[in-house]
Amino acid sequence: GEDVEQSLFLSVREGDSSVINCTYTDSSSTYLYWYKQEPGAGLQLLTYIFSNMDMKQDQRLTVLLNKKDKHLSLRIADTQTGDSAIYFCAESMIKAAGNKLTFGGGTRVLVKP
Amino acid sequence: NAGVTQTPKFRVLKTGQSMTLLCAQDMNHEYMYWYRQDPGMGLRLIHYSVGEGTTAKGEVPDGYNVSRLKKQNFLLGLESAAPSQTSVYFCASSSELAGVYNEQFFGPGTRLTVL
Repeated sequence: GEDVEQSLFLSVREGDSSVINCTYTDSSSTYLYWYKQEPGAGLQLLTYIFSNMDMKQDQRLTVLLNKKDKHLSLRIADTQTGDSAIYFCAESMIKAAGNKLTFGGGTRVLVKP
Repeated sequence: NAGVTQTPKFRVLKTGQSMTLLCAQDMNHEYMYWYRQDPGMGLRLIHYSVGEGTTAKGEVPDGYNVSRLKKQNFLLGLESAAPSQTSVYFCASSSELAGVYNEQFFGPGTRLTVL
């Protein structure tokens, strides 16, 4: 079955690095995603990683994937106040009808000045 | 392009009333989805559609119906609203390309309260 879990809350000081963690259970997952939700808005795709990769870097964002432990993390370098939001990890399977995603519960990140 | 739009933005219903939420996308996407978001539970898929005239059940379909009469529109109906359906509802759409990463594009959400 599919189950994606995240911690609920993370507080970080402006300028520090943030690390948001996610675990998933379905070993047939092929793509894993990080979405960002700002207050009062819908979700926007931040980045994604294919399941045969260990790491992906995109400017201030670094995604690490540990397939053995089914653990995904998102590191945000030099965290800014504009990074305050809810972050969702999600998984999908290539063969899933309709390209469905399974989302975690979301991690609320609060950046303190 | 407007992307994905949802109407209404807010709605308050009494128990037993019915309503329809409208989602529209202008990206010519084949796939469309309806989610509900509840605190600490992330997004849960209610129904989805892989093309005009087709719909399928998601994780939490009970109490909801959907229709996809036109490719650009996906309607979510509540026939007899219950307080447990108080939530924020999001619509999303994506392309039908298989074997590649799937970016879903989300609307701004509809906040529904059932009294």
